[in-house]
Amino acid sequence: NAGVTQTPKFQVLKTGQSMTLQCAQDMNHNSMYWYRQDPGMGLRLIYYSASEGTTDKGEVPNGYNVSRLNKREFSLRLESAAPSQTSVYFCASSELPDSPPLVYGYTFGSGTRLTVV
Amino acid sequence: QQQVKQSPQSLIVQKGGISIINCAYENTAFDYFPWYQQFPGKGPALLIAIRPDVSEKKEGRFTISFNKSAKQFSLHIMDSQPGDSATYFCAARGNNYGQNFVFGPGTRLSVLP
Repeated sequence: NAGVTQTPKFQVLKTGQSMTLQCAQDMNHNSMYWYRQDPGMGLRLIYYSASEGTTDKGEVPNGYNVSRLNKREFSLRLESAAPSQTSVYFCASSELPDSPPLVYGYTFGSGTRLTVV
Repeated sequence: QQQVKQSPQSLIVQKGGISIINCAYENTAFDYFPWYQQFPGKGPALLIAIRPDVSEKKEGRFTISFNKSAKQFSLHIMDSQPGDSATYFCAARGNNYGQNFVFGPGTRLSVLP
């Protein structure tokens, strides 16, 4: 039961370099998300994909792009990394339940710790 | 500007004690309030959740108390155990960004043996 798999787990980039964070889920969820986690800031939404073929900006999209490759995969790209993008990045997926008790939440991956120097 | 405020930032409790974490919000459009638990090096995991038409929800040692008029909700951990040591996030589902969750800044709980 893999759930949400993120790669890589750790990455160090130099300012100006680019990279793509990969995310895949095996729960057949329609919705997928990218969050960044910074101390004292909680989790902030970067981009989301409500369903295959759609992507939308979240709270902090500047400096990032995303691709919903198929229903399983949702990647996050940093075109020109900046030190302000040093953070822990989490991918998540979810599905709205269609019957009570209607309790649901995101399933998160284990994160990618990115340092930009 | 945080849409969900959370306190305290950190909390130390003795084993067997009660841990209480509080959250407050302003947006009355929020319609679902989950709590997440995160262990070091792991992603957050859903712990318990409540809808605003209910004032309290209990699951084992974990209870959410919800005060709709005050726009506040809290997590109570009874008989706290060292294994409960983690960071806890409250969250709320809103009507922006596709009705995604907005998270509080987190509370780091340490339960001493």
